[in-house]
Amino acid sequence: NAGVIQTPRHKVTGKGQEATLWCEPISGHSAVFWYRQTIVQGLEFLTYFRNQAPIDDSGMPKERFSAQMPNQSHSTLKIQSTQPQDSAVYLCASSLVSYAEQFFGPGTRLTVL
Amino acid sequence: GQQVQQSPASLVLQEGENAELQCNFSSTATRLQWFYQHPGGRLVSLFYNPSGTKHTGRLTSTTVTNERRSSLHISSSQTTDSGTYFCAIDHNAGAKLTFGGGTRLTVRP
Repeated sequence: NAGVIQTPRHKVTGKGQEATLWCEPISGHSAVFWYRQTIVQGLEFLTYFRNQAPIDDSGMPKERFSAQMPNQSHSTLKIQSTQPQDSAVYLCASSLVSYAEQFFGPGTRLTVL
Repeated sequence: GQQVQQSPASLVLQEGENAELQCNFSSTATRLQWFYQHPGGRLVSLFYNPSGTKHTGRLTSTTVTNERRSSLHISSSQTTDSGTYFCAIDHNAGAKLTFGGGTRLTVRP
């Protein structure tokens, strides 16, 4: 069991460019979560899927951020027109079912110049 | 206000000393997890402990749900215990986790 896999581990973009982050949940887990970690804000929830369906996106910035889960083996977080304030570590987690222990990936460190 | 408060914010120990980390939360929680994060590393789940006491190695987690608090006890600390410890709850029984600000632990040799 490789755990939750996230790629890339580091991404540097210029202001205004697009960034796509990938997550492969633990096989058999039905719930996938995205969080963001910064020094100032700490760990914040962004969005979550259950059985590939979007359930709660209450933490997602309304503009420029979108997430998808096209199949059970991966989810993507896309940030359009990246801004310096989007710089953060983006974390993906999965759990067997929605209300269960969550396991985190190593994160993608996004730096927007 | 903050829904999950952790104390202390930072802690420095000499190797061999014990540590007690506290987590208090302001809403009903049916799930509580303790995580460890080494600088630059991933969040590692230590305990999934909605209530009661759990042990693993030198770590003990005790959660009293109706008092809205949990503690993480580290006995005989080692330099490899250095890092940040996070407490997280399911705020209002939702699926997502709400995190505290963390306790940064430094264990000196």
